[in-house]
Amino acid sequence: EAGVTQSPTHLIKTRGQQATLRCSPISGHTSVYWYQQALGLGLQFLLWYDEGEERNRGNFPPRFSGRQFPNYSSELNVNALELEDSALYLCASSLLAGSTEAFFGQGTRLTVV
Amino acid sequence: SQQGEEDPQALSIQEGENATMNCSYKTSINNLQWYRQNSGRGLVHLILIRSNEREKHSGRLRVTLDTSKKSSSLLITASRAADTASYFCATVQAARQLTFGSGTQLTVLP
Repeated sequence: EAGVTQSPTHLIKTRGQQATLRCSPISGHTSVYWYQQALGLGLQFLLWYDEGEERNRGNFPPRFSGRQFPNYSSELNVNALELEDSALYLCASSLLAGSTEAFFGQGTRLTVV
Repeated sequence: SQQGEEDPQALSIQEGENATMNCSYKTSINNLQWYRQNSGRGLVHLILIRSNEREKHSGRLRVTLDTSKKSSSLLITASRAADTASYFCATVQAARQLTFGSGTQLTVLP
């Protein structure tokens, strides 16, 4: 069974550009979480999608947005990139949101120069 | 904002010793989960303990939960160099969102 896959693994953008990160959950999982992890720090909650709908978002500006597609894959968009957006972006999926374990992808390392 | 806070932030022990990490949280939870992260990679789920459970074991791992104190501990027995990683607790509240703490960096010296 394929795990959670994220693409690309690395992404380098210049300040002001837009970045699009993608996540494919484990087959059958309908819940997708996005987290930002700056170097050496903990996971900051970004977005949570469940059954195609945004259920909650963390304390991030509106230039962080996303969506979940009918096949439950998800996309995270970051507009007007700033240097401090450089981080590891992790996606996780869960079969029953909150009741079962979350499975993580290997992350997308975004570097803004 | 972080729901869980791990303590200590960093822990260094010798191979064969036990490692204990603690997690405190602020609001009522449905369950609490522990995850491990090897350097710069995705997290791996270790164990889930529900709010009506007090202790759970998995191999060399032992997790306790004290809902009255809003705290949990993760014990790794007979540690190995391969246990070197960051360990995170994550809480799930009624809203079903998974919220992580700041993590404990464990270093096991050979």
